[in-house]
Amino acid sequence: RKEVEQDPGPFNVPEGATVAFNCTYSNSASQSFFWYRQDCRKEPKLLMSVYSSGNEDGRFTAQLNRASQYISLLIRDSKLSDSATYLCAALSGGSYIPTFGRGTSLIVHP
Amino acid sequence: EAGVTQFPSHSVIEKGQTVTLRCDPISGHDNLYWYRRVMGKEIKFLLHFVKESKQDESGMPNNRFLAERTGGTYSTLKVQPAELEDSGVYFCASSQGWAGEAFFGQGTRLTVV
Repeated sequence: RKEVEQDPGPFNVPEGATVAFNCTYSNSASQSFFWYRQDCRKEPKLLMSVYSSGNEDGRFTAQLNRASQYISLLIRDSKLSDSATYLCAALSGGSYIPTFGRGTSLIVHP
Repeated sequence: EAGVTQFPSHSVIEKGQTVTLRCDPISGHDNLYWYRRVMGKEIKFLLHFVKESKQDESGMPNNRFLAERTGGTYSTLKVQPAELEDSGVYFCASSQGWAGEAFFGQGTRLTVV
């Protein structure tokens, strides 16, 4: 079983829609989680960090469910510019090495 | 503030040749990571430096890969001799402290033909 798993998608949604992705992790010792956004042929860019139950930044909300070992990313009022691949990463306590999932592709269409 | 920079952005080499990738981390970031993404797969960890020391190189595929970090500043990743399966995008990332909020460079797209 992979350490961090994501549904690769693509998730195809209209502008203005709300979309949510999940990311499951297998290492129960994982303490910190991150969502990165990666545009085609570009580097991943940190979108949001999640250290406790969740985090919110504008239209983006990340939630952590430790019991079920997953984090989610909710995007409200989707914009065309939100189209990208969203990578989830997990960091275990005492580890310096984020482990990445494969990413979820989001396509927002007019 | 300058971000993580990588050079070259693209490299096409023949099987058996040598290639050296360079990464300049964000100034002051002690942690430097190399990752590789093969098409259609997840970003995979290669190795981690803390300053000039290799903290973890468990992800290095084999002894054809050699990474160095001179004086705890920039890092190089040499592939010698290159094989077809080494093709992919090599990302460098750096972070401050242990928090793991890594910042990535734009990557080097390596194609071995």
